[in-house]
Amino acid sequence: SQTIHQWPATLVQPVGSPLSLECTVEGTSNPNLYWYRQAAGRGLQLLFYSVGIGQISSEVPQNLSASRPQDRQFILSSKKLLLSDSGFYLCAWSRWEYEKLFFGSGTQLSVL
Amino acid sequence: AQKVTQAQTEISVVEKEDVTLDCVYETRDTTYYLFWYKQPPSGELVFLIRRNSFDEQNEISGRYSWNFQKSTSSFNFTITASQVVDSAVYFCALSEAGNQGGKLIFGQGTELSVKP
Repeated sequence: SQTIHQWPATLVQPVGSPLSLECTVEGTSNPNLYWYRQAAGRGLQLLFYSVGIGQISSEVPQNLSASRPQDRQFILSSKKLLLSDSGFYLCAWSRWEYEKLFFGSGTQLSVL
Repeated sequence: AQKVTQAQTEISVVEKEDVTLDCVYETRDTTYYLFWYKQPPSGELVFLIRRNSFDEQNEISGRYSWNFQKSTSSFNFTITASQVVDSAVYFCALSEAGNQGGKLIFGQGTELSVKP
């Protein structure tokens, strides 16, 4: 069976510090991978998606970046965090386009 | 452009009441996919249903039912005989066939509170 792992579960970082959130998927190959952010207002905003290794599409210009160094690994990064980067970050995968997404358990990021 | 509107921000009902969560979408594509997800307090999103634009049949799964109407661009979700465990935030989402990567666009969510 397929599983998705996302860590850490919670993170408190000072403004200006770097960020690295990792997500891995097991039990499948060549998944589509996604990073979403959920701000306090609840809406889910798509940040990045990837259809293959090294292929990253950015949806919203910001100081975040994403990378896919391996087939089932998706990393969200920042060189310098802003207060506005606080939120709940969710990684997700799907088998192919237009299929349902499977979500990770999320990372609650607080930038202070 | 694609858009999903969930006009109900919060709904509060008493256990055993029926409740309907509204979802209205906008798309220019003739082929698209609609989804509902549940987000309990734990935070992880749980998939509930996926429908394609060519299948307008209503669906029932236990206490859950979905009413898809292309004429009004709506995909409403009804919980019959609600229970406290149904308390969560519910999201409606849309994916257009023309979207690379099959990305989902979510509505703002409806927070459902079921009181005993």
